[in-house]
Amino acid sequence: NAGVTQTPKFQVLKTGQSMTLQCAQDMNHNSMYWYRQDPGMGLRLIYYSASEGTTDKGEVPNGYNVSRLNKREFSLRLESAAPSQTSVYFCASSEGGQAYYEQYFGPGTRLTVT
Amino acid sequence: AQSVAQPEDQVNVAEGNPLTVKCTYSVSGNPYLFWYVQYPNRGLQFLLKYITGDNLVKGSYGFEAEFNKSQTSFHLKKPSALVSDSALYFCAVRVVGAGNNRKLIWGLGTSLAVNP
Repeated sequence: NAGVTQTPKFQVLKTGQSMTLQCAQDMNHNSMYWYRQDPGMGLRLIYYSASEGTTDKGEVPNGYNVSRLNKREFSLRLESAAPSQTSVYFCASSEGGQAYYEQYFGPGTRLTVT
Repeated sequence: AQSVAQPEDQVNVAEGNPLTVKCTYSVSGNPYLFWYVQYPNRGLQFLLKYITGDNLVKGSYGFEAEFNKSQTSFHLKKPSALVSDSALYFCAVRVVGAGNNRKLIWGLGTSLAVNP
């Protein structure tokens, strides 16, 4: 039982490049989330998927897209990376809605955009 | 506006002493409150939550938190701190927004340092 896995762990991009961050969970959770963590800003929700087949914007969705590929996998895509997207990205999952159920977090992806 | 605050950026405590990490909130309706911990270079881990019931909630690793409705607080406590408790602690609270949309808002975190 690996919990929530994320790939890659580290990535360096040049401005304008694209990439996809992958996330998978093996806990049969319905809901999945993407967050970014920046110093002094805490944790901010980018997108979430309440259930398979649905996605919704969070607090800071601009510059990102997501795909809930199936119940296990939820990917985050940066179409044209910008230095402002330098951050640590966390994927999380929960049995149900985040406002009631505890979330399980992956180890994070540290992204640098130059 | 609905909000959650962790008034201390950093807390220092000696090993073996009791620790408290503070959280206050302002929400409409009944608060659902959470504590998470983040160890260095790791993702967040759930510690405990308050939804309803007993005001004293017990969680993982010997932590507990006390819900105080009159003071709108949910402080995290541990009777005897360990060096291994050194980490970043986040408080989060459920808010209900427009269209009955329920979401979490997060505090900015408190860095706990336990000195040997």
